[in-house]
Amino acid sequence: DQQVKQNSPSLSVQEGRISILNCDYTNSMFDYFLWYKKYPAEGPTFLISISSIKDKNEDGRFTVFLNKSAKHLSLHIVPSQPGDSAVYFCAASAILKAGKSTFGDGTTLTVKP
Amino acid sequence: ETGVTQSPTHLIKTRGQQVTLRCSSQSGHNTVSWYQQALGQGPQFIFQYYREEENGRGNFPPRFSGLQFPNYSSELNVNALELDDSALYLCASSFLATHPQYFGPGTRLTVT
Repeated sequence: DQQVKQNSPSLSVQEGRISILNCDYTNSMFDYFLWYKKYPAEGPTFLISISSIKDKNEDGRFTVFLNKSAKHLSLHIVPSQPGDSAVYFCAASAILKAGKSTFGDGTTLTVKP
Repeated sequence: ETGVTQSPTHLIKTRGQQVTLRCSSQSGHNTVSWYQQALGQGPQFIFQYYREEENGRGNFPPRFSGLQFPNYSSELNVNALELDDSALYLCASSFLATHPQYFGPGTRLTVT
């Protein structure tokens, strides 16, 4: 049973518009959530995180929202840029088990000029 | 500051053989995790090492084993290779098992 799900395999948006990537989880023990970005031939790169005590975290153009009751998180990218085109992975862990993350299968974001 | 490096980049092995993959952690990091990423899927946690001791393991059989050395570099060993072991193997390091982890570029293993 997949504990972290990214139901959209791909997303295409126009440059300058908002990109919204979604992630659902089932394990109530998860209390720390991360987004990673992956370019071809590179390892995942940490983007932004949020702990369960917060419902929003912002870093520049990137904002992550957490809805604990719905077990849902989302990543907003505003404005989207062509360089944001990559695979985005949602990951979750228990905060005391950092580094033992459970990943979703990723969403491929394409930002068109 | 040197990032996480992995070797080799690619390799091809035959079913039943053994393989060793290597990882050098980012400077100052004492914790390393290994992940397997099959095509079209997200990375799946194999195990983690902290100060040369295994510190947690995912749902992988014992033929997947590892080592961490005093300089915090690490090895992943896989015995009796199976076709389903074909994947990208990612190493990630961190300090004191805290987030975030820093990933290497991975080793692409193909088992024929």
